[in-house]
Amino acid sequence: GQNIDQPTEMTATEGAIVQINCTYQTSGFNGLFWYQQHAGEAPTFLSYNVLDGLEEKGRFSSFLSRSKGYSYLLLKELQMKDSASYLCAVSRSLWNNDMRFGAGTRLTVKP
Amino acid sequence: EAQVTQNPRYLITVTGKKLTVTCSQNMNHEYMSWYRQDPGLGLRQIYYSMNVEVTDKGDVPEGYKVSRKEKRNFPLILESPSPNQTSLYFCASALAGDNEKLFFGSGTQLSVL
Repeated sequence: GQNIDQPTEMTATEGAIVQINCTYQTSGFNGLFWYQQHAGEAPTFLSYNVLDGLEEKGRFSSFLSRSKGYSYLLLKELQMKDSASYLCAVSRSLWNNDMRFGAGTRLTVKP
Repeated sequence: EAQVTQNPRYLITVTGKKLTVTCSQNMNHEYMSWYRQDPGLGLRQIYYSMNVEVTDKGDVPEGYKVSRKEKRNFPLILESPSPNQTSLYFCASALAGDNEKLFFGSGTQLSVL
């Protein structure tokens, strides 16, 4: 089957660091994406990983281990505006259409 | 401004009354797709199109139709909506190719009574 698992909800404090994990078991792997989705809005692209290791983009970093079927999104210096859902998505082949999404992790940042 | 425009934003209808949700992108993207988002299930692909006149089924195509007569437009048609099609729908587009990011429309919240 195709499984992409992430925690349903997480809570963190403003200014802190939070790590959102994603594990996957898919038939084929070509890349892993993270999208941010604020309540009632469209998902927007955050990052993607193709090779193992850490990709850093300002306050956000994403890590991938292909051998373990594991990724995480690291958010540093949390701000209230980071309260949103974070979607993990696996691209299974070279074609655009072959992407599968996890159910998302709803992050709440508290003062 | 580069964007994917989806209409309407909200729609309430009754079982069996045909409806169309429009989607248009101004980025000259080859690839377009429709997703539905339900609590606990994540985004699931309904139909996609790799280019004009080329469409194919996604994971949950039953009860839906699409067409791609022009590159910019990709409407989603529900010929006879049923309550189990109540959901949040997103249109997305991307350049054709390897690991190209998706650009999403603002969503259509559909309720079928």
